[in-house]
Amino acid sequence: KNQVEQSPQSLIILEGKNCTLQCNYTVSPFSNLRWYKQDTGRGPVSLTIMTFSENTKSNGRYTATLDADTKQSSLHITASQLSDSASYICVVSPTPFTGTASKLTFGTGTRLQVTL
Amino acid sequence: DVKVTQSSRYLVKRTGEKVFLECVQDMDHENMFWYRQDPGLGLRLIYFSYDVKMKEKGDIPEGYSVSREKKERFSLILESASTNQTSMYLCASSLPRGNEQYFGPGTRLTVT
Repeated sequence: KNQVEQSPQSLIILEGKNCTLQCNYTVSPFSNLRWYKQDTGRGPVSLTIMTFSENTKSNGRYTATLDADTKQSSLHITASQLSDSASYICVVSPTPFTGTASKLTFGTGTRLQVTL
Repeated sequence: DVKVTQSSRYLVKRTGEKVFLECVQDMDHENMFWYRQDPGLGLRLIYFSYDVKMKEKGDIPEGYSVSREKKERFSLILESASTNQTSMYLCASSLPRGNEQYFGPGTRLTVT
């Protein structure tokens, strides 16, 4: 069964600190992995996407890594800000496209709270 | 910017009522999706549509139906709402050969 597991479930950090969120997957076949940020009461918004041939991708203070051999990904947030408080969801796709053949597998997310 | 809008942010309905959730996208996307999101379970696909009047069941279609009469609009219908359908409902859209799904803000439905 395809699964995406994220850890930790929740995390509280002080503003300005760094943190790393983990994603392990057992999806096969594998095409790409995407990290979404979901603010409270909002829909998810894409942060990064990586294919199996990419092992790192940055988007400002967000850096995602991918190890396709061990089927692990991480999202590193540098110099956290209060606005980073959100849920972060890891999503794995078996195909390049979102058409009828694609079944995305979503992780349950990590809820991050950044405090003063 | 892609915009996906949903008809209501919050909705409270009684058991047995018929409920309509509407989703509209303005980017001419062929694919549209309905998910529900529950704590500890992640997003689960209810139905998706790849063209007008076309639909396919997702992972949890029981108790739901959908309608897509126009390309930009995808409706989710709960024929007879039950308390176990209390959830956050998210609509998304994408290009047929695109990878990213663009999500709406969600509708938090409470069935009492």
